[in-house]
Amino acid sequence: QLQLQESGPGLVKPSETLSLTCTVSGGSISSNNYYWGWIRQPPGKGLEWIGGIYYSGSTYYNPSLKSRVTISVDTSKNQFSLKLSSVAAADTAIYYCARHTYFDWLLKNWGQGTLVTVSS
Amino acid sequence: EIVLTQSPDTLSLSLGERATLTCRASQSVSSTSLAWFQQKPGQAPRLLIYGASSRATGIPDRFSGSGSGTDFTLTITRLEPEDFAVYYCQLYGSTPHTFGQGTKLEIK
Repeated sequence: QLQLQESGPGLVKPSETLSLTCTVSGGSISSNNYYWGWIRQPPGKGLEWIGGIYYSGSTYYNPSLKSRVTISVDTSKNQFSLKLSSVAAADTAIYYCARHTYFDWLLKNWGQGTLVTVSS
Repeated sequence: EIVLTQSPDTLSLSLGERATLTCRASQSVSSTSLAWFQQKPGQAPRLLIYGASSRATGIPDRFSGSGSGTDFTLTITRLEPEDFAVYYCQLYGSTPHTFGQGTKLEIK
């Protein structure tokens, strides 16, 4: 059974870079049937799609965050990662990693999420 | 970018009642790319409906989706205690994906 697990610091200082990793188990990140993505949710608010990546390294970003986001993949570790630069308090959120189907980007599987707080 | 607007923001109903949640797109969208998610406190969203009307694996048949063009509906018949949650519609199929702001379904 597919599992996605986010990991990384729970506290990041303003202006620094947020870094998270998603470890995939129960399935191969190198499957040509899926994209791998990140979604975030500020506490008590709605969902925002950050971006996604294919195992080959092709990336797709939300234009609203594109200038600050980098998503990468490490097929040898079955992991993909998120970096968000120049963070501010507005970037405080629960960050979810997820799996999308390749054909239509349907979000079928989610990690449990990890809270990242931006504060000095 | 297409904007999804859900209504109402909050819906208060009793056990056993029927819930009707609406998602309106700012322009016509393909019904094959409209999904609904359920989110309970402290949990990740769970896929309920995709392609506007297809139930995801394991979703009870009291959940149904319909609609086309700009107007989509999620209907929950015979509300059960575990159905009280926040529901989001989402447009997928191309990037960037967008979500509605959510409808909170609460017990009356």
